[in-house]
Amino acid sequence: NAGVTQTPKFQVLKTGQSMTLQCAQDMNHEYMSWYRQDPGMGLRLIHYSVGAGITDQGEVPNGYNVSRSTTEDFPLRLLSAAPSQTSVYFCASSYSGGEETQYFGPGTRLLVL
Amino acid sequence: AQSVAQPEDQVNVAEGNPLTVKCTYSVSGNPYLFWYVQYPNRGLQFLLKYITGDNLVKGSYGFEAEFNKSQTSFHLKKPSALVSDSALYFCAVNNFNKFYFGSGTKLNVKP
Repeated sequence: NAGVTQTPKFQVLKTGQSMTLQCAQDMNHEYMSWYRQDPGMGLRLIHYSVGAGITDQGEVPNGYNVSRSTTEDFPLRLLSAAPSQTSVYFCASSYSGGEETQYFGPGTRLLVL
Repeated sequence: AQSVAQPEDQVNVAEGNPLTVKCTYSVSGNPYLFWYVQYPNRGLQFLLKYITGDNLVKGSYGFEAEFNKSQTSFHLKKPSALVSDSALYFCAVNNFNKFYFGSGTKLNVKP
């Protein structure tokens, strides 16, 4: 099992550029989620999905889009990057939401200039 | 509004001494409670969770946590700290499929 994988590991963008952060899991987990980690603020939920075709907003969804066409993949799209989106992004998955343990990917470090 | 508070940015403890990392929460309903640990340049790793039942939960690497409903707290504890426990610790709650994390506490264990 590869677990939760994220690509790329590091990315530099210019303001206004778009990009997609990839997340995949091979554990047949229904629940997947995206977080951003900023110094002194912990992790904040951006979007989550309870299964293929179902997504919902988290705490800080503005500026980000998601879709879930398969159980395995949950990409995060930045349509027009802003410096405020400079952060470390983590994807996580679990069998379901609620009481289930989440497994985290290694993270993507994003710098927006 | 849902929130999780970790009042200490940093906790310093000598190796062999007991440690406590504090967490309080403010969410509606009966949330599920978690502790995760993060080592430098890594993702988060699960330590333990409280779902229901006994208020004292035991987890990985000798850690335990005590759930206190009246104080809405879920403090992380370990009887004897190791230098290798030095890391960033996050408390989290899950309420209706949404996870809320505290800001993190950096644990420094000195030899």
